[in-house]
Parts: sequence; C-alpha cells; structure tokens
Amino acid sequence: IVMTQTPLSLSVTPGQPASISCKSSQSLFHTDKKTYLYWYLQKPGQPPQLLIYEAFNRLSGVPDRFSGRGSGTDFTLTISRVEAEDFGVYYCLQSIQLPPTFGQGTKVDI
Amino acid sequence: QVQLQQWGAGLLKPSETLSHTCAVYGGSFSIYYWSWIRQSPGKGLEWIGEINRSGSTNYNPSLRSRVTLSVDTSNNQFSLKLTSVTAADTAVYYCARRYGGFDNWGQGILVTVSS
Repeated sequence: IVMTQTPLSLSVTPGQPASISCKSSQSLFHTDKKTYLYWYLQKPGQPPQLLIYEAFNRLSGVPDRFSGRGSGTDFTLTISRVEAEDFGVYYCLQSIQLPPTFGQGTKVDI
Repeated sequence: QVQLQQWGAGLLKPSETLSHTCAVYGGSFSIYYWSWIRQSPGKGLEWIGEINRSGSTNYNPSLRSRVTLSVDTSNNQFSLKLTSVTAADTAVYYCARRYGGFDNWGQGILVTVSS
C-alpha cells in the first residue's frame, strides 16, 4: 500500500493551525471496524513517536491540540494551535496489510 | 514502561553481514510482534520484518532473501541479520514493538556500509 503525504514541507507560525494530508492507495478500514492508520512525529536524532492510533485516537500524554480524522483512504492530522515544540517531521503509517508502509514525511518548520 | 535497547555494529564493508540485537525491558514480550525498521535519506522509513515470541516471522518482500530474524525468549531479545550488505543498506536501524502501529522504539543505530 502506497502512502502519499501532502505537503512535504510546511512553515507555520506559532498559534496558527496546521494540517497534513495522508492518502492511501487502498482502504485502511478493516472488517474488525478499526482503521489501521497512525501518525508519528520525529524530531532530529530521535525515533518517531506515536501521536495518533487507529486514525483518530490520541495516545495518552499527547496534547489535545493534535487531532486525527478521516476514513477509507483519506486522512488528516491537524494541529489546532501550533507550538514551538511541534517542529519535526510527521509521518503517517498503514498497518492493515503487510508490509506496513510509511508516508514520505512532512517537515514542519516553526 | 517498556524500553527497547539495541546494539550492533555501525560500520560494515560491502558483502558483510549486519547483525543487531534488541532487548525488551518491562511490559509483556509475549503478545506483540517485534519489528526492525530502517531509515535512510533516500528511501525514508522502511519496515524490514517482524517476529513474535513463537518465532513466527513476516518479512518485507524487498529484503526477504537477505534477512533472518530470530528471538531469544529467555532473555526477551530479538535479533536481525542482513546478509551481503551494500552501500544501499546504509541507514539508521531501529527495533520497535508493533501492536497495530509501532508504539515503542529503540534508540536507533546508524549503520554505514563503506569499503
């Protein structure tokens, strides 16, 4: 499954919203009613950290300014009010089908 | 709190074998799949393969012929071997726990393949 993110880079002003799109080449909705789409943030020198699982569930400890939405093949990660600590590269991941595949990444500059 | 700690060689010559191990501390070792993922500037994040406690494996078809995963349940460790490396295998290699997505990662090791 091919994951396509847009844009590939994004310059944002603190306090303003930001959105990243992720489109999959096949539906990520499983017969078990889960959607196997995940969002990550990677900061320099660190592994990716999970933010959102199953399309819209925030991991414990992730600020509520991060939200995920979408269904089927179209997904969006939104940051309601960007903060300075939100810089880095954001990735989407699908795991409904092996091999799990990542998007190309969206670099967010503050 | 689960922690993954990985180790292995960081500098290899072409045709050599990459050999890395990841130890899992805390949490359950039994119910998850344990993965290897690599990240290179040219190919982004690439899943290599995974293994569970029983030794059941899944591999990325693009690397299947060169990859072997193994597990040591007595020490909660799992290992990666990648044979016949070339410059194209230069990347940061991560181990990770998969439960749906990858929710815990090792620190990563930069592997450089150069003669």
